[in-house]
Amino acid sequence: DSGVTQTPKHLITATGQRVTLRCSPRSGDLSVYWYQQSLDQGLQFLIQYYNGEERAKGNILERFSAQQFPDLHSELNLSSLELGDSALYFCASSGGLGRNTEAFFGQGTRLTVV
Amino acid sequence: GESVGLHLPTLSVQEGDNSIINCAYSNSASDYFIWYKQESGKGPQFIIDIRSNMDKRQGQRVTVLLNKTVKHLSLQIAATQPGDSAVYFCAETSYGQNFVFGPGTRLSVLP
Repeated sequence: DSGVTQTPKHLITATGQRVTLRCSPRSGDLSVYWYQQSLDQGLQFLIQYYNGEERAKGNILERFSAQQFPDLHSELNLSSLELGDSALYFCASSGGLGRNTEAFFGQGTRLTVV
Repeated sequence: GESVGLHLPTLSVQEGDNSIINCAYSNSASDYFIWYKQESGKGPQFIIDIRSNMDKRQGQRVTVLLNKTVKHLSLQIAATQPGDSAVYFCAETSYGQNFVFGPGTRLSVLP
């Protein structure tokens, strides 16, 4: 158990809909990262938050947004969903900036858009 | 041998042999590198890390080598076992900024 919790584990929704994925980082970790992994593909970095503020942005679509709350949990919002958004979405957390520690990953949310 | 599959390069090794998985990283300013193992349907799991002031680090059955001159990272697995079958990713970062992952290599252990 990595200590990173993601909910829900599975999500099936229709095209055009909006969903929210939730992540609780490890206790004490200030950085949260979101990654997208399509079938048999690598991990595409979406966005990073550090202590509530956006820190780095990757290949995140404008239809997607995220935030990190004061209690450090994070949510990834995906809207106007398309079939191609079907993927595993991972959240990871780490000790934060200025500290080189590994990122711990949750078990992911499998999103299926039908 | 090593081959490029439809999505991920695949390395096939005989059980008991040593495996070497390679990774080229992109940012010369990266100062921390990690190897992750990802089993089917699970999140990536930490295997071993190395900081940029080192060129080799050993763990249990695993060794990571770092060559900063050519921006190359490798993971060596000794006496490969069936449980080692997974996708392996290298990741680079600089002081906790976003982790950039390599494309991944699927390791297939043959009986």
